[in-house]
Amino acid sequence: DIQMTQSPSSLSASVGDRVNITCRASQSISNHLNWYQQKPGIAPKLLIYAASSLQSGVPSRFSGSRSGTDFTLTISSLQPEDFATYYCQQTYSSPRTFGQGTKVEIK
Amino acid sequence: QVQLVQSGSELKKPGASVKLSCKASGYTFTDYGMNWMRQAPGQGLEWMGWINTNTGDRTYAQGFTGRFVFSLDTSVSTAYLQISSLKAEDTAVYFCARERFTSSWYADFWGQGTLVTVSS
Repeated sequence: DIQMTQSPSSLSASVGDRVNITCRASQSISNHLNWYQQKPGIAPKLLIYAASSLQSGVPSRFSGSRSGTDFTLTISSLQPEDFATYYCQQTYSSPRTFGQGTKVEIK
Repeated sequence: QVQLVQSGSELKKPGASVKLSCKASGYTFTDYGMNWMRQAPGQGLEWMGWINTNTGDRTYAQGFTGRFVFSLDTSVSTAYLQISSLKAEDTAVYFCARERFTSSWYADFWGQGTLVTVSS
């Protein structure tokens, strides 16, 4: 199985900060990497698919990038509604494993 | 608009079975696959597998074989997850999510989740 290692597991940031969350795949997954946001008690929401494509309706402050097997979700200017847990998921092969999540908290 | 509406919370005793539903609307049901995910209390997301709504082919992740069964009723645009011989560790929220392909596979719409509690 492909392992997805997310870092950090949690972070504290202030409104307006630039935030980077990284996901490393245990082997090549090409660009088959998605990012989801989840708030407590609510279903996950797709932010980014295929490593860098912004899902329709998602604010442009969210972006994704890839360097080999390292993937980064960037929030350019953190907003109050962005405090949530973020998950990466690879869809290159089955099982389509998720990262363990990164909780973004208010500093 | 695309919607996935899941059935309500369930409280079951160990050893019982449960069948969860996920009703789709706003799109042609058989044009997109359906994923199932599990989230135990306070934990992350686990991909359980997916079902091809056009062919009925199923793929299960390891750990979700045997007691877990995906099924469909395309006449009512509904996907089902049946879990048998329930255990306490099956206590979780179960999500269905539509699968789409645009240069990569991804889950673009999710149901609201169904909480299954297994307790004696």
